[in-house]
Amino acid sequence: EAGVTQFPSHSVIEKGQTVTLRCDPISGHDNLYWYRRVMGKEIKFLLHFVKESKQDESGMPNNRFLAERTGGTYSTLKVQPAELEDSGVYFCASSPSGSLHNEQFFGPGTRLTVL
Amino acid sequence: RKEVEQDPGPFNVPEGATVAFNCTYSNSASQSFFWYRQDCRKEPKLLMSVYSSGNEDGRFTAQLNRASQYISLLIRDSKLSDSATYLCVVNPITNAGKSTFGDGTTLTVKP
Repeated sequence: EAGVTQFPSHSVIEKGQTVTLRCDPISGHDNLYWYRRVMGKEIKFLLHFVKESKQDESGMPNNRFLAERTGGTYSTLKVQPAELEDSGVYFCASSPSGSLHNEQFFGPGTRLTVL
Repeated sequence: RKEVEQDPGPFNVPEGATVAFNCTYSNSASQSFFWYRQDCRKEPKLLMSVYSSGNEDGRFTAQLNRASQYISLLIRDSKLSDSATYLCVVNPITNAGKSTFGDGTTLTVKP
């Protein structure tokens, strides 16, 4: 079974540019999560989709971040315009519905550098 | 105060040693608990879920104390391949929802 995949693995952009990250969850997983780790800090939650619906977006830092999951399959996270403090590693995770303990499976992450 | 706090580490131990990591969480309503392992520049990988009764998987034993809001991970007979960062993760509700991570504790096992 294929795991969670993310694209690109690395992105280097200049301040003010736009970047779109993509996540493909494990097939059949209704729950999709975005997390971020900025340097020196712990991994922090950004938002949670159940199928195509945003269940919890309390972790989104500001309105420069837009996440979508049209059709309830893959998800994109767009940062526009990017700022220096957006640099970090963006992880996507997925889990199936009905999982008793909600073990989440993580993708390899996208390392974003904003110059 | 952070929602999930772990031993700051780092831990440097010889092969064969037993090492224990501790974690405390502040949300008493938390329902699910996990230990993840993260290798350098890789994604977190689930090591084990932590159940109220405690659970063991080979050389790894996890314990949960709900009254004290405390989770532990014990690694026996450490191997070089155990070197990694160990993340304590807490979910507020059982069957869905965000995970809250600790900062992680780094373990280095030396020959």
